[in-house]
Amino acid sequence: SAVISQKPSRDICQRGTSLTIQCQVDSQVTMMFWYRQQPGQSLTLIATANQGSEATYESGFVIDKFPISRPNLTFSTLTVSNMSPEDSSIYLCSVVGGATEAFFGQGTRLTVV
Amino acid sequence: QQQVKQSPQSLIVQKGGISIINCAYENTAFDYFPWYQQFPGKGPALLIAIRPDVSEKKEGRFTISFNKSAKQFSLHIMDSQPGDSATYFCAASNDYKLSFGAGTTVTVRA
Repeated sequence: SAVISQKPSRDICQRGTSLTIQCQVDSQVTMMFWYRQQPGQSLTLIATANQGSEATYESGFVIDKFPISRPNLTFSTLTVSNMSPEDSSIYLCSVVGGATEAFFGQGTRLTVV
Repeated sequence: QQQVKQSPQSLIVQKGGISIINCAYENTAFDYFPWYQQFPGKGPALLIAIRPDVSEKKEGRFTISFNKSAKQFSLHIMDSQPGDSATYFCAASNDYKLSFGAGTTVTVRA
């Protein structure tokens, strides 16, 4: 399985600011995704991070709020922009390895105050 | 609208007992069904997964049963141990994108 490192592991941010989360994988992967897990809730797919092109966003998520970069096959960033308390969540990077297995990083726990 | 429905929301089982979690889906395009285990403060860890052409898969104490016609699948945890106390999520994949169930918090009493 792929080893996924996310930074930061947690942060407390002021409303109106932005936070960039990094995801580093120890091997090249084709598919990378970003998920959100709101407090006590399940996981929801934010977007697919496409290498060399714009990310593909799911319904309810937009690029202006969650810009994503993926400069190569091992690295991606997710920015949470103009944060509000409703953005307080765990943000998780996921990669698909092998045939279809999806693996997750430890997540970034974001609190917006 | 949740594409994967999971029940129960929580369950308590005695050590050595069997935990059963059920999931149902509607989208027949789903082609891969994993289960994840999540401990507090950690990311979800892949536990076991199944494809719709298989009716059952067993790995150690964990078994997935899959009913394609009913569009239902379930996780059985045999001989439950206190270390199994966690939140379990079922999921379904379409084009590598996962839709998750709401999660089941399992508590194993010693």
